[in-house]
Amino acid sequence: DAGVIQSPRHEVTEMGQEVTLRCKPISGHDYLFWYRQTMMRGLELLIYFNNNVPIDDSGMPEDRFSAKMPNASFSTLKIQPSEPRDSAVYFCASRLRSNTEAFFGQGTRLTVV
Amino acid sequence: GQQLNQSPQSMFIQEGEDVSMNCTSSSIFNTWLWYKQDPGEGPVLLIALYKAGELTSNGRLTAQFGITRKDSFLNISASIPSDVGIYFCAGSSGGGADGLTFGKGTHLIIQP
Repeated sequence: DAGVIQSPRHEVTEMGQEVTLRCKPISGHDYLFWYRQTMMRGLELLIYFNNNVPIDDSGMPEDRFSAKMPNASFSTLKIQPSEPRDSAVYFCASRLRSNTEAFFGQGTRLTVV
Repeated sequence: GQQLNQSPQSMFIQEGEDVSMNCTSSSIFNTWLWYKQDPGEGPVLLIALYKAGELTSNGRLTAQFGITRKDSFLNISASIPSDVGIYFCAGSSGGGADGLTFGKGTHLIIQP
């Protein structure tokens, strides 16, 4: 299995631009999570899906952030408009329904200038 | 919300030394996980603990789920250079349906 695949690995964009991060979970996993990692706040859960349905988005910082999971093998996290304070590493993770061992992708390092 | 206090924040040790780090929580967790993160990579699962009092080993790594369900520790014996990285504890309080709460990490640096 290729593991959780995220793209792009790095993204540099100008303030105000729309940013879309992509994730392909491990095949067969029912849960998909989006996390954000910063030096100040560490790893924070933004939103998670179960069977493609958003379950808890209370971690999404504000309305500029949105996430979708149109099918079991693809999810996106969109920031519109982006701001410099959104600069962070964004991780996608997935897991099977029966346990809580989440497997992480390599992350997308976002820099908003 | 739930918070995990992980300590120490960083450790500078000599190769061959044993390492110990721990996490405490203000609330009860039903699952404790320990992850390691290398630079430029995502966290990789090291050990998962599912029962209070459980002691689990994975090679030179040993982790325990505290009896109170509010703490966990990770030990690394005879450290080697490839142990360098950031170690995170993570807890889950739900029946398996919620996301993980992460500690801030312990940065392990090994001097040869």
